[in-house]
Amino acid sequence: ETGVTQSPTHLIKTRGQQVTLRCSSQSGHNTVSWYQQALGQGPQFIFQYYREEENGRGNFPPRFSGLQFPNYSSELNVNALELDDSALYLCASSPSPSGSYEQYFGPGTRLTVT
Amino acid sequence: GENVEQHPSTLSVQEGDSAVIKCTYSDSASNYFPWYKQELGKGPQLIIDIRSNVGEKKDQRIAVTLNKTAKHFSLHITETQPEDSAVYFCAASYQGAQKLVFGQGTRLTINP
Repeated sequence: ETGVTQSPTHLIKTRGQQVTLRCSSQSGHNTVSWYQQALGQGPQFIFQYYREEENGRGNFPPRFSGLQFPNYSSELNVNALELDDSALYLCASSPSPSGSYEQYFGPGTRLTVT
Repeated sequence: GENVEQHPSTLSVQEGDSAVIKCTYSDSASNYFPWYKQELGKGPQLIIDIRSNVGEKKDQRIAVTLNKTAKHFSLHITETQPEDSAVYFCAASYQGAQKLVFGQGTRLTINP
């Protein structure tokens, strides 16, 4: 059974640019959630994708958007990058969109905005 | 919305001793409480979880307790080993929610 994978591992972008991060969910899981983890903080929920649609969103602006594909993999897109977007971006897969189910995290993508 | 407070922010214990990390939550609807371990450069790893219909759960050296009345839950690690050194996060959620709400994390250091 394959765990959650993310790519790329690290990324350096310039303010104003756009970035796409990718996530492959664990086998058998149909739900992917994205979190942003600033240095020294706990992960903050960005949004969740279930059945290829956004299924809940945290307190993040519309320049954070996503996709989910038929194989349940997902992308996180961030437009007009700001310095404060520098963080570890984590995706988590789950067998259900309900908050009462286990969420398994990938290794994350470290994004640095200069 | 839900708010999770975690204490202490740092914890240092001697190898072989026990470590306890405590969390409180605000939303009485929360019914799922996972604990994650995050090592340097890695994503959070689910180590144990508890649901509101259970007061205590144990897995080898790790145990979690839940007090629904006080809205407290705690992680207990016994016979600590150097490989237990990491940042630990508690979280809370409920069936109708999509997200986990995390505490601020506890940096646990095991001294040999």
